[in-house]
Amino acid sequence: DAMVIQNPRYQVTQFGKPVTLSCSQTLNHNVMYWYQQKSSQAPKLLFHYYDKDFNNEADTPDNFQSRRPNTSFCFLDIRSPGLGDAAMYLCATSRDRRWETQYFGPGTRLLVL
Amino acid sequence: GQQLNQSPQSMFIQEGEDVSMNCTSSSIFNTWLWYKQDPGEGPVLLIALYKAGELTSNGRLTAQFGITRKDSFLNISASIPSDVGIYFCATNNAGNMLTFGGGTRLMVKP
Repeated sequence: DAMVIQNPRYQVTQFGKPVTLSCSQTLNHNVMYWYQQKSSQAPKLLFHYYDKDFNNEADTPDNFQSRRPNTSFCFLDIRSPGLGDAAMYLCATSRDRRWETQYFGPGTRLLVL
Repeated sequence: GQQLNQSPQSMFIQEGEDVSMNCTSSSIFNTWLWYKQDPGEGPVLLIALYKAGELTSNGRLTAQFGITRKDSFLNISASIPSDVGIYFCATNNAGNMLTFGGGTRLMVKP
């Protein structure tokens, strides 16, 4: 049974056209994370929500935004995708920020044309 | 920021061989996690270690939390083709966010 679900699995967008990626979880975890992963690299944290509290990483571009309307769902909005934003986007959850074990979704691969 | 040095970067082995990879750092940690990522998928947690010296197995996988709290290793015994993928170590940084090693790409020749 899928615990962290990401839709779509593949997303194609045009340069500069806003795109939204979605993540949902059935674990009832307090924390949800968004990572960007480029080819052959480790995942890079963009931001996370602890409940409704949004925490942005210092080097995350303003082009990336996030929304968490409720415990189960979290969205990643890319306002004006550039070619360099093509990557795998991973959503993850953890029960609490002090619990280090994170559970990842399958990812959404974004292609920017 | 702290850095996790994961080695080797890649391995190409024969099916049936044992595999060993490790992560080291100059910082001490409270947790070591090992993830496997298949192509086109998200990382899947293999083993979590929470105590220095802890040795934990998950099937053919064994991982240990180094006694100095600065390192960890992962062993895979009797490798099979489905072991192919990228293995990441990870640990918690000062903000309790995960920091990942650079990954070890494992390739298994049948």
